[in-house]
Amino acid sequence: SQTIHQWPATLVQPVGSPLSLECTVEGTSNPNLYWYRQAAGRGLQLLFYSVGIGQISSEVPQNLSASRPQDRQFILSSKKLLLSDSGFYLCAWSIGGIGETQYFGPGTRLLVL
Amino acid sequence: EDQVTQSPEALRLQEGESSSLNCSYTVSGLRGLFWYRQDPGKGPEFLFTLYSAGEEKEKERLKATLTKKESFLHITAPKPEDSATYLCAVEKYGNKLVFGAGTILRVKS
Repeated sequence: SQTIHQWPATLVQPVGSPLSLECTVEGTSNPNLYWYRQAAGRGLQLLFYSVGIGQISSEVPQNLSASRPQDRQFILSSKKLLLSDSGFYLCAWSIGGIGETQYFGPGTRLLVL
Repeated sequence: EDQVTQSPEALRLQEGESSSLNCSYTVSGLRGLFWYRQDPGKGPEFLFTLYSAGEEKEKERLKATLTKKESFLHITAPKPEDSATYLCAVEKYGNKLVFGAGTILRVKS
């Protein structure tokens, strides 16, 4: 069966510091991968998605970037964090194709101070 | 513009008191409507996918239905363990999901 991992679970970082969040998927090949951010009391906002190694699409202009160095690894990064980057970051995967379900990881709680 | 609106924002029920959550959407060419359950501090857990108007799916005390403009999540005789935030999302072009803000459900014993 497929599993998705995210780490760290919680992170407290000062403004201006760099960021690296990692997501890995097990039990499937060539998945579509997604990064979402969830602000308190709000729905999930799609940040990036990837259909293959090195293929990244950005949904919203922002202080963040994403990379996919391996088939089942997705990384969310920032060179300098802003206060507004605080939130709950979720990684998800799907097998691709119309109407296919996205399955979410446990999330990373990021607090920028 | 693709939009998903969930109502109510919050719902308090007594154990055994059945009710429904609403998800209305505007999207060109619906490819799928998804319901997820999210517990505090955790990632969303998949519940249902609906593809066409008239479709219904059930799982334990939950039943999801779909019309051309909205979906309902019916909860029959809820228990305290059904307390969670329920999220609705619609798929648009490119396998991208647009999420509603969610309904926070609290079931008291």
